[in-house]
Amino acid sequence: DGGITQSPKYLFRKEGQNVTLSCEQNLNHDAMYWYRQDPGQGLRLIYYSQIVNDFQKGDIAEGYSVSREKKESFPLTVTSAQKNPTAFYLCASSTQIAGGRNEQFFGPGTRLTVL
Amino acid sequence: AQSVTQLDSQVPVFEEAPVELRCNYSSSVSVYLFWYVQYPNQGLQLLLKYLSGSTLVESINGFEAEFNKSQTSFPLRKPSVHLSDTAEYFCAVSPLTGANNLFFGTGTRLTVIP
Repeated sequence: DGGITQSPKYLFRKEGQNVTLSCEQNLNHDAMYWYRQDPGQGLRLIYYSQIVNDFQKGDIAEGYSVSREKKESFPLTVTSAQKNPTAFYLCASSTQIAGGRNEQFFGPGTRLTVL
Repeated sequence: AQSVTQLDSQVPVFEEAPVELRCNYSSSVSVYLFWYVQYPNQGLQLLLKYLSGSTLVESINGFEAEFNKSQTSFPLRKPSVHLSDTAEYFCAVSPLTGANNLFFGTGTRLTVIP
């Protein structure tokens, strides 16, 4: 089945530690995205990538880093510089045609809790 | 810049009653409009979208939304809800040009009461 997988589903981190969230897709999509979801705030864009080896900051990139070495993979690292990392993180992908008409497909999410 | 406003954070409704979830947007450019649904502890799924043509769009499970350009609104409606419709609903917009980025509202939690 085609889709997006995220791992782990739940992640606990001690303050001061970096953690990496995995996102893999087998939909052959060029574009991939990371969102953060907090209660009452909807989804906010962290980073996005339109093509391999290229990515751009979204609205709340501070304290996060990404890489796009393969088309299928777009891991997100939450660094110790992120002041309030406890949240639900969602990865998405889409075909990359100019303009915003394309549906984004979402993974099941990773819930990160900082202890 | 784009912004999306969903005025109702929570909407309780009895089973088989009608429901409307409000969505208003602001944008300096033309946009496409989307409704996504999120069931507990899951990712988002596309419910329906308006790209062009008829302003009334429908989903396979009975929801519909109507694009109103003059009021910059895209309300989601269903004439008779089921218990399985309990979920969080997000309205989103995406500019017609540039990157395929979505701008989301803060979501409306629909709770269907037996």
